[in-house]
Amino acid sequence: DAKTTQPTSMDCAEGRAANLPCNHSTISGNEYVYWYRQIHSQGPQYIIHGLKNNETNEMASLIITEDRKSSTLILPHATLRDTAVYYCIVRVNTNAGKSTFGDGTTLTVKP
Amino acid sequence: EPEVTQTPSHQVTQMGQEVILRCVPISNHLYFYWYRQILGQKVEFLVSFYNNEISEKSEIFDDQFSVERPDGSNFTLKIRSTKLEDSAMYFCASRRQGNTGELFFGEGSRLTVL
Repeated sequence: DAKTTQPTSMDCAEGRAANLPCNHSTISGNEYVYWYRQIHSQGPQYIIHGLKNNETNEMASLIITEDRKSSTLILPHATLRDTAVYYCIVRVNTNAGKSTFGDGTTLTVKP
Repeated sequence: EPEVTQTPSHQVTQMGQEVILRCVPISNHLYFYWYRQILGQKVEFLVSFYNNEISEKSEIFDDQFSVERPDGSNFTLKIRSTKLEDSAMYFCASRRQGNTGELFFGEGSRLTVL
């Protein structure tokens, strides 16, 4: 699976959009971009995933650049409960596949 | 909403003892995983399981570890002889059939080895 690079930490004001970047310059054509988050020491929670088109669901939006070498997770109106570690994972969608978690970005939403 | 459940939430054991961590995956899921997270460190993949056999395992998953799906609903992780360095949070995850790689994680079992 391709390696990802994320900033170690970010702050965001409550109610503002949080934009979390991820670099995956070695991504291959059949690899998807997944985002998970981990609040405190709870189990990781799936947020969103995409291949090349931008995606949106009730939690977030995922913007993938045209060359697919980077992406941005957008939380449109961050709340204090969005404070968490956010993981960007790139992997092939195969039946068996594991997901490899990196260090992620610690997002702190401030009042 | 269906969820992955894990028991116990916290277990304290003496070094050298056997430990079994239990997981009930989401009922229509077919792929099962164990991950662990040592305090302050990354979430690490241990093993994946499909069709009653191990699909993939990491270097961490040595012969002290085993997994089993004994009754079609539970998915267990056994550590035969615990070591101090096995102290960690252990997360079970499951995924439905198909190529979508979305994992659903349980809340974890905290293992403390004294």
